[in-house]
Amino acid sequence: SQQGEEDPQALSIQEGENATMNCSYKTSINNLQWYRQNSGRGLVHLILIRSNEREKHSGRLRVTLDTSKKSSSLLITASRAADTASYFCATPRGGSQGNLIFGKGTKLSVKP
Amino acid sequence: DTAVSQTPKYLVTQMGNDKSIKCEQNLGHDTMYWYKQDSKKFLKIMFSYNNKELIINETVPNRFSPKSPDKAHLNLHINSLELGDSAVYFCASSQDPAGGADTQYFGPGTRLTVL
Repeated sequence: SQQGEEDPQALSIQEGENATMNCSYKTSINNLQWYRQNSGRGLVHLILIRSNEREKHSGRLRVTLDTSKKSSSLLITASRAADTASYFCATPRGGSQGNLIFGKGTKLSVKP
Repeated sequence: DTAVSQTPKYLVTQMGNDKSIKCEQNLGHDTMYWYKQDSKKFLKIMFSYNNKELIINETVPNRFSPKSPDKAHLNLHINSLELGDSAVYFCASSQDPAGGADTQYFGPGTRLTVL
C-alpha cells in the first residue's frame, strides 16, 4: 500500500505557536497533497507539491517533500484557533495518476 | 454558491432499508467521486466517474450503486442497509480524470446512521 501515514496522530498547541505535521509514504509518487478537515465538514485542499519540488508555501503554510525519505511535512506558522482541524496527506495510487489514497490524519488543536 | 453539494446532510434509517444520497457539482468538472469516512476518520474512495462513466470501483459491495445522470451529478444508492454502513459519505469532484494528479473538491458530507 502507498497510503500516507501522518505523524503525530494528535497535536495540541497554544495559539501563536508553530505546528508541524509529518507524512510518510511507501512508494514513489509524482505529487503529494495536503487537505484540511474541520469538524463535521468536508475536506479542503491546501497544497499540492510535485516530486520535483522541495518546498512550497501558501500563506502561513509551508510544505516540504523529501522523495529520498518518502516523507513530507506541513508547517503552520503562527497558529490560530481557527486552524483547529484534522490534516490529511494524500498520494496517488500507482504514484502518478491513480485515485487519491488518504492517510489517517493528524488532529490539530490550537488553544486560544 | 456551493461548489459541491450533497443531500441530505444527515440520514438516519433502519437496517434493511434502501436509501439514496445525491451529489451535485457546479464546477464544470468531468470527474466525480464517492468516499466513505469511518468512525476513525479513515477516508477511503468507493467510486469515481468520468463523464458519466465508471472508472473506479474499490471493492464496494454491490448493495452500493452509483448513478450519474450527467457529469454534474453523481448519486449513491444503497440497498439493504447494514449497521456497518454507518459512516460519513463524501462526494468530491476534480477536473482531471486522473484524480491523483489534481485537486479534489469535497462536498460537506452526509452522515448516515443505520439503526
